Amino acid sequence: IAGITQAPTSQILAAGRRMTLRCTQDMRHNAMYWYRQDLGLGLRLIHYSNTAGTTGKGEVPDGYSVSRANTDDFPLTLASAVPSQTSVYFCASRGQPQSTDTQYFGPGTRLTVL
Amino acid sequence: SQQGEEDPQALSIQEGENATMNCSYKTSINNLQWYRQNSGRGLVHLILIRSNEREKHSGRLRVTLDTSKKSSSLLITASRAADTASYFCATDGGSGAGSYQLTFGKGTKLSVIP
Repeated sequence: IAGITQAPTSQILAAGRRMTLRCTQDMRHNAMYWYRQDLGLGLRLIHYSNTAGTTGKGEVPDGYSVSRANTDDFPLTLASAVPSQTSVYFCASRGQPQSTDTQYFGPGTRLTVL
Repeated sequence: SQQGEEDPQALSIQEGENATMNCSYKTSINNLQWYRQNSGRGLVHLILIRSNEREKHSGRLRVTLDTSKKSSSLLITASRAADTASYFCATDGGSGAGSYQLTFGKGTKLSVIP
């Protein structure tokens, strides 16, 4: 593994189903982020974690939950998917949240909720 | 809500020409970053400019920052077909609102015609 990986690459999901998007980084970065990208809206922050064991809400957290049990993994869960959650989801990490480090992005997960 | 707003939304130029994209933002920042996204891929960091800097260069990229006008510009000189991508500005508010999170604009889609 080099950098950030996300799984699955794409998924079609029935409304009401539970889904977990996986994100793993091997750079030992403290901060991790989940964004959704929608046409015409750019990237919007869903949840973030400044360090293992802590999480916080971003701009659009409703309907999503996260956990940060260790440094490397930051899964995003949709408890009961709805069509408005159809989007491309990007995970990102950053060395230190309070530094000027840049963010490194994963390749994304394309999710379609029917 | 979006902090940065890029202008134009789309830009089409001939190979060899220069491309200029602008970004405006609303609140004070710690730094401003530009990212590039190829179609279907994650974002890649291009350049970071701190709030006390006015201009920065990296290869064919030139970024300016005017904190009094709350605006930045990204200039790509001698464009190539491989520069075709979407470009996003992202503002880092530092220790203020957002807890060192990045807020992304909606992006400029650049097409470089061979």
